Amino acid sequence: SQTIHQWPATLVQPVGSPLSLECTVEGTSNPNLYWYRQAAGRGLQLLFYSVGIGQISSEVPQNLSASRPQDRQFILSSKKLLLSDSGFYLCAWSLGLAADTQYFGPGTRLTVL
Amino acid sequence: ILNVEQSPQSLHVQEGDSTNFTCSFPSSNFYALHWYRWETAKSPEALFVMTLNGDEKKKGRISATLNTKEGYSYLYIKGSQPEDSATYLCALQEGGGNKLTFGTGTQLKVEL
Repeated sequence: SQTIHQWPATLVQPVGSPLSLECTVEGTSNPNLYWYRQAAGRGLQLLFYSVGIGQISSEVPQNLSASRPQDRQFILSSKKLLLSDSGFYLCAWSLGLAADTQYFGPGTRLTVL
Repeated sequence: ILNVEQSPQSLHVQEGDSTNFTCSFPSSNFYALHWYRWETAKSPEALFVMTLNGDEKKKGRISATLNTKEGYSYLYIKGSQPEDSATYLCALQEGGGNKLTFGTGTQLKVEL
């Protein structure tokens, strides 16, 4: 069966510090991978998605970036965090099929102070 | 910017009540409508994926209907139980792409 891991579970970072959140998927090959953020009082917003190694599509202009160095690894990064980067970050994977269910990881709660 | 709207924003019902919520979406370029349940401290869990106008899906006491022509989907819960307490999210998938646009959810609280 497939499993998805995210770490860390919670993170408190000062403004201007770097960020690296990691997501890995087990039990499947060549998944589509996604990063979402839920800011306070808002819905899930798609940040990035990837259909393969090194292929990243950005949905929202921001100071975040994503990378996919391996087939089942997806990393969300920032060089300098802003207060507005606080939120709950979810990674998800899907098989890349039509009408494709996405399966979510446990999430990371990021607080930028 | 796609506008996927859910109503009500929150709902309190008594155990045993039946309830329903609405998801509205732009009907042009429709491909699929997804429903998720998101319990506190857990990951969003997929409930249904619906693609055809008139689709009805059922999973236990939860069911959903889809009207792609007018752009809405209803989620029904029959005989609500405390374990049904969660935020219910709908998400629109357009034009065969893999991206989902989520609504802000309906937060359901089932009280004893």
